[in-house]
Amino acid sequence: GENVEQHPSTLSVQEGDSAVIKCTYSDSASNYFPWYKQELGKGPQLIIDIRSNVGEKKDQRIAVTLNKTAKHFSLHITETQPEDSAVYFCAASITGNQFYFGTGTSLTVIP
Amino acid sequence: DVKVTQSSRYLVKRTGEKVFLECVQDMDHENMFWYRQDPGLGLRLIYFSYDVKMKEKGDIPEGYSVSREKKERFSLILESASTNQTSMYLCASRRMNTEAFFGQGTRLTVV
Repeated sequence: GENVEQHPSTLSVQEGDSAVIKCTYSDSASNYFPWYKQELGKGPQLIIDIRSNVGEKKDQRIAVTLNKTAKHFSLHITETQPEDSAVYFCAASITGNQFYFGTGTSLTVIP
Repeated sequence: DVKVTQSSRYLVKRTGEKVFLECVQDMDHENMFWYRQDPGLGLRLIYFSYDVKMKEKGDIPEGYSVSREKKERFSLILESASTNQTSMYLCASRRMNTEAFFGQGTRLTVV
């Protein structure tokens, strides 16, 4: 099956700096790549997603890039704020049904 | 507003008990999932269902079973709870190849 690796596992940045989280996947058939944010005591919520026919997608301070050849995708958060502190998960979907998740990145934004 | 609701936020059960975790979604989604979340391991798929009365094993089905008698409801069953099943359990639902919506999670402690 698919294998998704996510790095780093923890990340601390100063408020206003950028944060980058990277994921790799193993199955070239994967075609949908969402990113989820999980705040303390809550379930994960989608923040941005990208499909395999697109190389980059942006939504305000958040962007995702996809390199199908290298089989990796990245989350970029610019101008970080304390409320960005959370655990972030990447995922890949092959069949359209089942997701494979990375192990998560705990982001801390230091005021 | 879309909703996935898990019946309990916190549960404490004794070893050997039969445990039911309930999940209900109001979005008429075909696909429903049960994940287990543990520190450093990310989200691991236990079971998923793509239709009423249909189920597929995920990556860690041992010790668990599921039931989907109605489209909106997906139940996770621990036949005989053990301490190594102490974890956070997350339910999710989605349509084919779209984002998944998660419940708020059930933190289960087996003593």
